[in-house]
Amino acid sequence: EDQVTQSPEALRLQEGESSSLNCSYTVSGLRGLFWYRQDPGKGPEFLFTLYSAGEEKEKERLKATLTKKESFLHITAPKPEDSATYLCAVLTADRGSTLGRLYFGRGTQLTVWP
Amino acid sequence: ETGVTQTPRHLVMGMTNKKSLKCEQHLGHNAMYWYKQSAKKPLELMFVYSLEERVENNSVPSRFSPECPNSSHLFLHLHTLQPEDSALYLCASSQNPGLVGPQYFGPGTRLLVL
Repeated sequence: EDQVTQSPEALRLQEGESSSLNCSYTVSGLRGLFWYRQDPGKGPEFLFTLYSAGEEKEKERLKATLTKKESFLHITAPKPEDSATYLCAVLTADRGSTLGRLYFGRGTQLTVWP
Repeated sequence: ETGVTQTPRHLVMGMTNKKSLKCEQHLGHNAMYWYKQSAKKPLELMFVYSLEERVENNSVPSRFSPECPNSSHLFLHLHTLQPEDSALYLCASSQNPGLVGPQYFGPGTRLLVL
């Protein structure tokens, strides 16, 4: 069972059609939640870190929000260059590790067509 | 070179071969990581190095052997791999040791084990 679930698995939007991606997690002891963007053939690119419920971060057309059990990545008026896979990762406290545990979701593949 | 670089970008090897993956970070970071990314599975953290010392080994089989000779270089030595080890292997680095901060990823090595 995945500790981090991202939905939808795939999303197709027309250019300018705003939408949201969801990342829900079941683990406790959240130390941080991360959003990354991954283009085909490339490594993930860091977007945001959120640390506590109620926190919001923005970058260009992207806005990330965090509640106690989920995070949303809102995309406003997307453009074709926003097409990518968006990954969510959750860092939790872990008694067996001083670093904690980092869990990634499977990602949402976003396609924005003109 | 800037950011995090990885070589080779693609690798095909037989189950009896020995090969090594190389990662170099040009960001002045203090921590480096190896990840495995398989199709349709979440990104999996394999090893964490902080200031050249291994601080995390997430139950990775011994056929994977990491080496960190200095804070800028990280290797993953491979021997007697299995076909299920075929995946994209990603290297990442971060400013501070540990998992709290953002990580910066290389482009990955696409590995195929025959």
